[in-house]
Amino acid sequence: DQQVKQNSPSLSVQEGRISILNCDYTNSMFDYFLWYKKYPAEGPTFLISISSIKDKNEDGRFTVFLNKSAKHLSLHIVPSQPGDSAVYFCAAQKGSGGSNYKLTFGKGTLLTVNP
Amino acid sequence: DTGVSQDPRHKITKRGQNVTFRCDPISEHNRLYWYRQTLGQGPEFLTYFQNEAQLEKSRLLSDRFSAERPKGSFSTLEIQRTEQGDSAMYLCASSQGDTQYFGPGTRLTVL
Repeated sequence: DQQVKQNSPSLSVQEGRISILNCDYTNSMFDYFLWYKKYPAEGPTFLISISSIKDKNEDGRFTVFLNKSAKHLSLHIVPSQPGDSAVYFCAAQKGSGGSNYKLTFGKGTLLTVNP
Repeated sequence: DTGVSQDPRHKITKRGQNVTFRCDPISEHNRLYWYRQTLGQGPEFLTYFQNEAQLEKSRLLSDRFSAERPKGSFSTLEIQRTEQGDSAMYLCASSQGDTQYFGPGTRLTVL
């Protein structure tokens, strides 16, 4: 039973355009969500996070949107750059403010940004 | 800030052998996590330490697996009597607040 789902295994966009990566979750107890980027043979690198008390968080070119009623979040990258090409993982956890522990990950989406 | 480090980066072993991996967390982080990632999957939680106390173990962590974090600093993950199904990337992460920061991982191949 997969509690965090990334239904698009891959996404290809042109440099300079917007990349939109989607994530759905089933467990209503999740209240903190994170996006990680992963290059081959490296560990995941933290990108951006959002608490369930917010519906949007922005950091430079990266914006995460959370729709709690739909149990859906998305990561927008604008403008996309070739260096953004990587696997993007959505992750969720129960508890925030220091009480967190384990992350539940989706299977990832491979983003390819073409020059 | 030196980040999370893991050693070794790669390990090839024969089935039935024991292996041990080390993780050094970011120095001020009191929480440390182990995850396992197999091909085509996201990382899966294995176990979690707060300081030196191991607070949760996943059912994925069979009794061939043991993890320690003596003195609440570095951690080791040992796999006894390795099986081919143990081949995976083993990831360590640490946190002080809500965000977990990952190391580069140890790639284990069991022949």
